[in-house]
Amino acid sequence: GENVEQHPSTLSVQEGDSAVIKCTYSDSASNYFPWYKQELGKRPQLIIDIRSNVGEKKDQRIAVTLNKTAKHFSLHITETQPEDSAVYFCAAMDSSYKLIFGSGTRLLVRP
Amino acid sequence: DTAVSQTPKYLVTQMGNDKSIKCEQNLGHDTMYWYKQDSKKFLKIMFSYNNKELIINETVPNRFSPKSPDKAHLNLHINSLELGDSAVYFCASSQDGGNTEAFFGQGTRLTVV
Repeated sequence: GENVEQHPSTLSVQEGDSAVIKCTYSDSASNYFPWYKQELGKRPQLIIDIRSNVGEKKDQRIAVTLNKTAKHFSLHITETQPEDSAVYFCAAMDSSYKLIFGSGTRLLVRP
Repeated sequence: DTAVSQTPKYLVTQMGNDKSIKCEQNLGHDTMYWYKQDSKKFLKIMFSYNNKELIINETVPNRFSPKSPDKAHLNLHINSLELGDSAVYFCASSQDGGNTEAFFGQGTRLTVV
């Protein structure tokens, strides 16, 4: 089955700097890769997603890149703000429609 | 209107008890899921239902059983609760079971004492 690995587990950046979170997946049949943000005590919420026919997608300060050959995808947050502090999860949807999550990255943006 | 709602939000119970968590979605989605989030924040899929049919059954103990009276509801029953069952349980739904956003409920924090 699908296995998703996520790094780093914690990330601390200064406000205004960029943050990058990386994930790898194992199932080459996976074709949908969402990213979720979970604030303390809240539910995970989708922030951006990418499908296998696209290499990069951007939404304001957030961008995601996908390399299907290497089976890895990354989240980039530019001009970070304190409200970006949260736990971020990558995920991959495998061929049996299971949404498998990475282990999460705790991002802290220092003001 | 809440898209995916689950009740209760908090549940404290003793070992050995049987409990249920309810989930309802008003998005018209075809697929609903249950996830378990442990203290380390790992989100692990437990079950998935598509049009009232179980399509995924992860290797969870058979003390856990999903029940879906219709495609808008997916309840989770847990028998003989154990200390290790303490976690936050999230219900979620998505359209067509894949390649689309999964919407999560607010979570149920289960504490077994």
